[in-house]
Amino acid sequence: EPEVTQTPSHQVTQMGQEVILRCVPISNHLYFYWYRQILGQKVEFLVSFYNNEISEKSEIFDDQFSVERPDGSNFTLKIRSTKLEDSAMYFCASSPPAGVADTQYFGPGTRLTVL
Amino acid sequence: GEDVEQSLFLSVREGDSSVINCTYTDSSSTYLYWYKQEPGAGLQLLTYIFSNMDMKQDQRLTVLLNKKDKHLSLRIADTQTGDSAIYFCAETAMDTGRRALTFGSGTRLQVQP
Repeated sequence: EPEVTQTPSHQVTQMGQEVILRCVPISNHLYFYWYRQILGQKVEFLVSFYNNEISEKSEIFDDQFSVERPDGSNFTLKIRSTKLEDSAMYFCASSPPAGVADTQYFGPGTRLTVL
Repeated sequence: GEDVEQSLFLSVREGDSSVINCTYTDSSSTYLYWYKQEPGAGLQLLTYIFSNMDMKQDQRLTVLLNKKDKHLSLRIADTQTGDSAIYFCAETAMDTGRRALTFGSGTRLQVQP
């Protein structure tokens, strides 16, 4: 069964450094998402991406964040200058072409630790 | 804004039924979802229901929706130890163009042998 994959599974970085989290969505999907879950808190939406542009973003997704689909398979989240409070589990998700419901399929997540 | 609430913890014995409850605030919610998260794993989509339905059954899972009270529940029949996980309720409002999922805080289900 096709699945969303994410790399790395765990990323440790120093405050102020740039990180890029990578995702490979399911191949025929057209909508892509990033969510994050700070330890002990709810899963929060960051951004959605469709047709090579951002379609929705939350207040969390400020100028420090960017997303890109550099080729036909990868979808990346970049954090330019990481802060301690960016430490969280980051989940990528994708959903198929418009259908009955927007069923989002999630990857296993990347745990980001900012020191 | 949108808000989704769940109780934090539920403990049941193996073989019993589990009922996990969720309330939401957005009256424009169109789809409501249940996701399962096992330790160290991602979010697995279990089932979803459209807001014009009041019930959906899928094998051991039954979803009930009371749109008037904005209350959603997930019933797991014959609960097994492998069902132990965190269960998240989530919603979208696609009619307003909002695809972003709003999640509840998750209910930790503990199944005792």
